[in-house]
Amino acid sequence: DIQMTQSPSSLSASVGDRVTITCRASQGISNSLAWYQQKPGKAPKLLLYAASRLESGVPSRFSGSGSGTDYTLTISSLQPEDFATYYCQQYYSTLWTFGQGTKVEIK
Amino acid sequence: QMQLVQSGPEVKKPGTSVKVSCKASGFTFTSSAMQWVRQARGQRLEWIGWIVVGSGNTNYAQKFQERVTITRDMSTSTAYMELSSLRSEDTAVYYCAAGSTWSGVWGQGTMVTVSS
Repeated sequence: DIQMTQSPSSLSASVGDRVTITCRASQGISNSLAWYQQKPGKAPKLLLYAASRLESGVPSRFSGSGSGTDYTLTISSLQPEDFATYYCQQYYSTLWTFGQGTKVEIK
Repeated sequence: QMQLVQSGPEVKKPGTSVKVSCKASGFTFTSSAMQWVRQARGQRLEWIGWIVVGSGNTNYAQKFQERVTITRDMSTSTAYMELSSLRSEDTAVYYCAAGSTWSGVWGQGTMVTVSS
């Protein structure tokens, strides 16, 4: 199975900060990567797919980049509603795998 | 709009089975794939398996291979996930999600509690 490792596991940031989360795959996944946001008690919400394509309705402050094994999610200016846990997910293999999550907390 | 509605919470005893349903609406169920993912409290999302609705072909994570069965009923646009030989470690929220690659459509989650 393809292993996905996110870093950091958690971070504290202030409203307006630029936040970057990284996701590393155990092998190349050819941009077959999605990012999700999850709030407590809720299902994951799709933010980006194909590493950098923004899902319809998602604010443009979210962006994604990367290639090969290394990918990043960037929030350009953190907003109060962005405090949540973020997960990457690979679909290069038909067997999905997720990163361990990054919890973004208020500083 | 595209929607997945899951069945309600379950409390099961160890060694028994649970079957969770996921009813689709607002998209062509027969042309889709349905994934099942679970999340124990405070833990990461864990993929269980999926079904290609049209063909009925399934694929399961090795961890669940011996205990899980995913099925679908095209007449009611409903997918099912049955997990057998339940143990306390199976206590989690179980989600269905539509799509074969990424998914923008998720069910609301079904809490399954395994307790003696």
